[in-house]
Amino acid sequence: AQSVTQLDSHVSVSEGTPVLLRCNYSSSYSPSLFWYVQHPNKGLQLLLKYTSAATLVKGINGFEAEFKKSETSFHLTKPSAHMSDAAEYFCVVSAQGDYKLSFGAGTTVTVRA
Amino acid sequence: GAGVSQSPRYKVTKRGQDVALRCDPISGHVSLYWYRQALGQGPEFLTYFNYEAQQDKSGLPNDRFSAERPEGSISTLTIQRTEQRDSAMYRCASSSPVGTSGSDTQYFGPGTRLTVL
Repeated sequence: AQSVTQLDSHVSVSEGTPVLLRCNYSSSYSPSLFWYVQHPNKGLQLLLKYTSAATLVKGINGFEAEFKKSETSFHLTKPSAHMSDAAEYFCVVSAQGDYKLSFGAGTTVTVRA
Repeated sequence: GAGVSQSPRYKVTKRGQDVALRCDPISGHVSLYWYRQALGQGPEFLTYFNYEAQQDKSGLPNDRFSAERPEGSISTLTIQRTEQRDSAMYRCASSSPVGTSGSDTQYFGPGTRLTVL
């Protein structure tokens, strides 16, 4: 079985400062890992994904995440937050090749001017 | 190019009524998924279609919930005799055929917010 734990339900940062969203996963098999973002009244948008290639994954809008098997973590980072990054972020795991996604509870990011 | 679309975007109904939620996947995506997202939680898997065949319905909570995709494109999720606990965001996603390149990426629609009074 697969599951994820997002360690922060809410993160508040100042514009221009780094963003760190923490995610730990549990998987019985080699995992695929994803980060999705949801802006108000929009669908879930894929930010990036890890599927057993490079452990440091670069995504859209300057986000990146690092797969650390020893720590079972897949934290999302961005060096400099922008006001448009205010949204809800979901860490997601699946067994590689499996279609069934398991979502975390989400982290809401607010960006202060 | 058009993404996944869902209708209606918002649905308010009274307890005991039936509702039908529609999903129109990305053109050419033969795999289609339904998820339900309760307030404050992440989406949870309901069911999966490959073309018109419902391959997995293990996430449907009870027999009041059903889904179909008769022509392998548009799908309808139907909830009969709705209850207040059915209130949630219902999300649809589509992908390339499972097992093909890129099939691990699911593209989500904006969701239907269902409120049962």
